[in-house]
Amino acid sequence: GQNIDQPTEMTATEGAIVQINCTYQTSGFNGLFWYQQHAGEAPTFLSYNVLDGLEEKGRFSSFLSRSKGYSYLLLKELQMKDSASYLCAVISNDYKLSFGAGTTVTVRA
Amino acid sequence: IAGITQAPTSQILAAGRRMTLRCTQDMRHNAMYWYRQDLGLGLRLIHYSNTAGTTGKGEVPDGYSVSRANTDDFPLTLASAVPSQTSVYFCASSAEAGSGANVLTFGAGSRLTVL
Repeated sequence: GQNIDQPTEMTATEGAIVQINCTYQTSGFNGLFWYQQHAGEAPTFLSYNVLDGLEEKGRFSSFLSRSKGYSYLLLKELQMKDSASYLCAVISNDYKLSFGAGTTVTVRA
Repeated sequence: IAGITQAPTSQILAAGRRMTLRCTQDMRHNAMYWYRQDLGLGLRLIHYSNTAGTTGKGEVPDGYSVSRANTDDFPLTLASAVPSQTSVYFCASSAEAGSGANVLTFGAGSRLTVL
């Protein structure tokens, strides 16, 4: 089976930076995704990493280390609208996407 | 607007009743998926279909069945609902299965309560 761990909750102040860590142990590896999910809504795609290193996309960046089974999502210049759950997901050898339980980020004024 | 439509949005159901959750996509995606989302457990794959005419079991398939008669539709059926099937159900699709860069597009979800 797949084992994907991420913190349950994080709180940060508007304008600050927050880093959400994700560790995984899966049957093979074909890529790691981050999705954002606002309360009561569907998850939406944020980022995809398959090679080691940092992928930057505006205020959001995602990092991957395959040898360590580790990724993080970095949210910079936090805004109130960034309050949401952030889901780490891994594609394993069978090309099925397995999700972590999600990290709820609360941005305070 | 291209995307995935799920119905119903919300449903309360008596235990033992049969229920079908509908899912339709208009993006001509080959692969479709059903997930359930429960607090503290995240999204878990119930069933999937890599292409029209084929289906497969995910992580938690018991008590559920699916069919994929055409590209657009992927209904999920609970033959005899039980309270543990109370959950939010998300249908999703992707252009192709068997690809690492397999970005999923999700429907808005169906909230099901079984009493």
